[in-house]
Amino acid sequence: DQQVKQNSPSLSVQEGRISILNCDYTNSMFDYFLWYKKYPAEGPTFLISISSIKDKNEDGRFTVFLNKSAKHLSLHIVPSQPGDSAVYFCAASSVQGGKLIFGQGTELSVKP
Amino acid sequence: DAGITQSPRHKVTETGTPVTLRCHQTENHRYMYWYRQDPGHGLRLIHYSYGVKDTDKGEVSDGYSVSRSKTEDFLLTLESATSSQTSVYFCAISRDYEQYFGPGTRLTVT
Repeated sequence: DQQVKQNSPSLSVQEGRISILNCDYTNSMFDYFLWYKKYPAEGPTFLISISSIKDKNEDGRFTVFLNKSAKHLSLHIVPSQPGDSAVYFCAASSVQGGKLIFGQGTELSVKP
Repeated sequence: DAGITQSPRHKVTETGTPVTLRCHQTENHRYMYWYRQDPGHGLRLIHYSYGVKDTDKGEVSDGYSVSRSKTEDFLLTLESATSSQTSVYFCAISRDYEQYFGPGTRLTVT
């Protein structure tokens, strides 16, 4: 049973446009959500997170939105840049320092 | 940079042989994790540790064991490697809610 799902394996956008990556979860006990970015042959790097008490968190070009009623979160990248091309994983946790449950990943390609 | 190194970075081994992967951290974090990454599955937790000699299973622990005799080192052992354990293995540490990952070990079991 996949508790965290990223239903789009890939996404292609033009440079300068908005990239929207989506993630759905099923466990209502999750209270913290994270996005990671992964380049080939490297480990995932932490990008941005959001607590369940918030519905939005921004960090520069990256914004994460959380819709608890729909059990849905999204990552917006504005404007998209070719260097953003990578695999993006969403993850969820229910306790500080606890286990993360990851989605399958979405491969973003930003075309010049 | 969370000061995490993994060794070896690449390994090819034969079915049935034992393999040990090492994760080393320099920042004295209490929690450490081992994940495997496979296409279509994202990252799946194998085992984790919440202190020296304190470990627990993750969702895909069958065929794997771990040990943590020092805070800085977390070892993952495949007692008898199988082809289904061909994967990329990542170690991570935890700072509050976020986890930070090492560079990974690509393991191929032939």
